[in-house]
Parts: sequence; C-alpha cells; structure tokens
Amino acid sequence: DSGVTQTPKHLITATGQRVTLRCSPRSGDLSVYWYQQSLDQGLQFLIQYYNGEERAKGNILERFSAQQFPDLHSELNLSSLELGDSALYFCASSARRGLAGAGDTQYFGPGTRLTVL
Amino acid sequence: GNSVTQMEGPVTLSEEAFLTINCTYTATGYPSLFWYVQYPGEGLQLLLKATKADDKGSNKGFEATYRKETTSFHLEKGSVQVSDSAVYFCALSGQGAQKLVFGQGTRLTINP
Repeated sequence: DSGVTQTPKHLITATGQRVTLRCSPRSGDLSVYWYQQSLDQGLQFLIQYYNGEERAKGNILERFSAQQFPDLHSELNLSSLELGDSALYFCASSARRGLAGAGDTQYFGPGTRLTVL
Repeated sequence: GNSVTQMEGPVTLSEEAFLTINCTYTATGYPSLFWYVQYPGEGLQLLLKATKADDKGSNKGFEATYRKETTSFHLEKGSVQVSDSAVYFCALSGQGAQKLVFGQGTRLTINP
C-alpha cells in the first residue's frame, strides 16, 4: 500500500460527458502528479501541483483540468469526453519535506480506470 | 526532449533464469533513473532508483547501474521467481524537473 488513494476505481461514462477523478496523496506529501496510461500512448505525464499551485504541465488536453486543494488532495476534471480518453489515470505524490528534487520517489495510487462508451 | 527506450516485450522465462531488461535514455544534463513495477490490477511501485552516474540501485534481488557513458540503466536479476511476473517500466526525471518520463514497459512472465 503506497498511501496514495484514488476514487473511484472504475468509471464508465458516455461521450460528451464530464467526470472528476479524486486523489489523496500520502500524508504530508506536497506534490501531486497525474499520469495517463493508455495502450497506444503508454504512460504519459499530465500535470503536477505543488502545495496548491500548478508546477508543471505535460501533454494535457485543454478539455482536462486539475486542481489541488488546501488539504492537498487533488482532482482531475475531464470534460467533453471522447472514446480516446478511455485509459487508466494514475495519481502520484512525493516531497514530504521541503521542495522536491528530481530524484525524489513518486508513490503511485492504484489508478482510476475510465471507460468512455 | 527527454526519452526512454526499453527492450520490446513480452519476455518469457523459466523460474531461476537470469533476467536482463534493457533500458537506454536520452536526456540533457544528469537525470535520475528509476525502475517501476506494475503487478496485475495494481498501481506502479518503485523497484529501485539511481540519482547519479555509476550509482547502483538494488532491491528484492534486482539491480541496475546508472551508466552515463552508454546512457543505460539495464535491469538484472540473477534468479527470477514466478512472483516476479509483472510489467516493468524504466523512467527518468530530468535535471531540475520532477515529472517522470516512462519507457513503453516490458511485460515479464515467469513460468514454473
């Protein structure tokens, strides 16, 4: 158990809909990362938040957005869903003390499997 | 940009065989290198890491050495077990950046 929790585990929805994925980082971790795992694109970094502020952005679509709340949990919002958005979405956390370094270990949650029909 | 290339899978071995999964990277500066493992139905777990050249990461009998001259971080284990069956991902985080860049993953199956 990594200490990172994600809800829901599975989500099935229709094209055009909007969903919210939730992540609670390990106790005390300040950084939250979102990754997408799909068969064709592999594991891709989407976005990082550090202590409530956006820190880095990857290949995140404009239809997707995220935020990190004062209690450090994070939400990833996916809107106008398309069939190609079906994937496993992982959250990871790191950085218990001070600013994170490039070598910091990221601890991954179990993921949310999104199926768009 | 930074990238990671892993050997193509799937890889199938017999129990107690020697394992090598090749990983090479492209990055500027001095990245940190990682191996993560994903068991069926689970998230990724850190297996081992190395943060500077010539460092050796090791865990659960697995080892990998950070070779800057060959830009490689190959994963090895002397004697694999059925319980090692999983998907293995090589990854890097670039100098000054924390996001992970992953290879495509290598599915490993160990037969008894």
